[in-house]
Amino acid sequence: GESVGLHLPTLSVQEGDNSIINCAYSNSASDYFIWYKQESGKGPQFIIDIRSNMDKRQGQRVTVLLNKTVKHLSLQIAATQPGDSAVYFCAENSAGTYKYIFGTGTRLKVLA
Amino acid sequence: DAGITQSPRHKVTETGTPVTLRCHQTENHRYMYWYRQDPGHGLRLIHYSYGVKDTDKGEVSDGYSVSRSKTEDFLLTLESATSSQTSVYFCAISDVDGTDTQYFGPGTRLTVL
Repeated sequence: GESVGLHLPTLSVQEGDNSIINCAYSNSASDYFIWYKQESGKGPQFIIDIRSNMDKRQGQRVTVLLNKTVKHLSLQIAATQPGDSAVYFCAENSAGTYKYIFGTGTRLKVLA
Repeated sequence: DAGITQSPRHKVTETGTPVTLRCHQTENHRYMYWYRQDPGHGLRLIHYSYGVKDTDKGEVSDGYSVSRSKTEDFLLTLESATSSQTSVYFCAISDVDGTDTQYFGPGTRLTVL
């Protein structure tokens, strides 16, 4: 079964709609953030990252927004596809440390 | 995918037995990490390595040891497996340091009976 959690918050979206997944991070000193995607039975896969000197970064169909004032990170997925179904979680890191703090994740379900 | 393999991919063992998990990378990255993933928790760091023979403890290191004799290999040993160590174990690598992106292996599902 799924290893990342039995009671994760779930976001259900219709195929083709946009998805927004949120993350509240914990350390105000964190200056580097990553979004990962994890499919069932697989390892986390890097999606996009952002450093604290930016508030927005875009990739292919994905955008990450960073609001340092309220310690909030979001991942926007445009035109969500069935292959986007997975657990998404954020990670934060502070400069000079090897320690990442990982969120528990949100399960994204794409409805056909 | 980053060139990271983990072996075995699945293992069932009994309480009290030693278990070694292997992580192998072909990226020549300096930093390697072992995490465990459990329901209700984010990934938790067990041990990490910042070079050959250079390792340090993470937040959940009790009952685990590691070794890194070559850049490409990082071994995680459960000295005497307990049921609380039933988990999915992930290896990760990064190139520069802790502020660089970490890439993960496919994981090892370990069950301790």
